[in-house]
Amino acid sequence: DVKVTQSSRYLVKRTGEKVFLECVQDMDHENMFWYRQDPGLGLRLIYFSYDVKMKEKGDIPEGYSVSREKKERFSLILESASTNQTSMYLCASSPTTYEQYFGPGTRLTVT
Amino acid sequence: DQQVKQNSPSLSVQEGRISILNCDYTNSMFDYFLWYKKYPAEGPTFLISISSIKDKNEDGRFTVFLNKSAKHLSLHIVPSQPGDSAVYFCAASDATGTYKYIFGTGTRLKVLA
Repeated sequence: DVKVTQSSRYLVKRTGEKVFLECVQDMDHENMFWYRQDPGLGLRLIYFSYDVKMKEKGDIPEGYSVSREKKERFSLILESASTNQTSMYLCASSPTTYEQYFGPGTRLTVT
Repeated sequence: DQQVKQNSPSLSVQEGRISILNCDYTNSMFDYFLWYKKYPAEGPTFLISISSIKDKNEDGRFTVFLNKSAKHLSLHIVPSQPGDSAVYFCAASDATGTYKYIFGTGTRLKVLA
C-alpha cells in the first residue's frame, strides 16, 4: 500500500513564525503536491514537484515556498505565518499515472 | 473562476437508495476526471476515475458518468450505505501531462440509516 505521511496532524503557530510542514512518501513516486483545504473552497493546489529539486507553482503559491531535496520528501514552508494561512494542509504523491495518494493532513492554526 | 463546480454542498439519502453527486466543469481541455472521498480528519482517498474517451466507468457500487457535450459528470452510488457518508470531491486534469488537478468544492453526503 502507498503510504504518505505528514509530520504533524495538528500544529499551532504564532503570526510571523517560520513554519515547516513535512511530507514523506514511500512508493518512489515522481510527483508530489501540496494543497490546502478550506470550507467552501475545496482543495487548492499550492505547489507541486515532478522531480527532485524541481517545483512549479500551483494556483495559490503566495506566502509559501517548497523544497524537494530527496525524491521521497516534499516540504512546504510558510516563511512568515499569517492568520489567513490557518487551514488544513494536504500532501499527495503520484507516479506517472493519474491517481494521487493523499496523506492524513495537517491542521495548522496561526494565532 | 471556478473551473470545476460542485453546486450541491450537501446531500442526504436513505440507506439502500441511490446517491447521485454532480460535477460541472468549464474547460473543454480537461481529459481525465477523478472522484475522491474524504472522511473527517483523514486525507482524501481515490474512488474512481474516467477518461474523456469513455462515457461510463463502473466499480462495484460506484459508477461515474461523463457527458462531454454538457461538461458534466456524475457519481452514482447504489445502494448507498451509512459508511458512504463523507465529503466527495471531483477533480479534473487537462492533457498537459503535469498530473495537476483542479478540484471541486466538495459535496457532503449523509446516508441515513
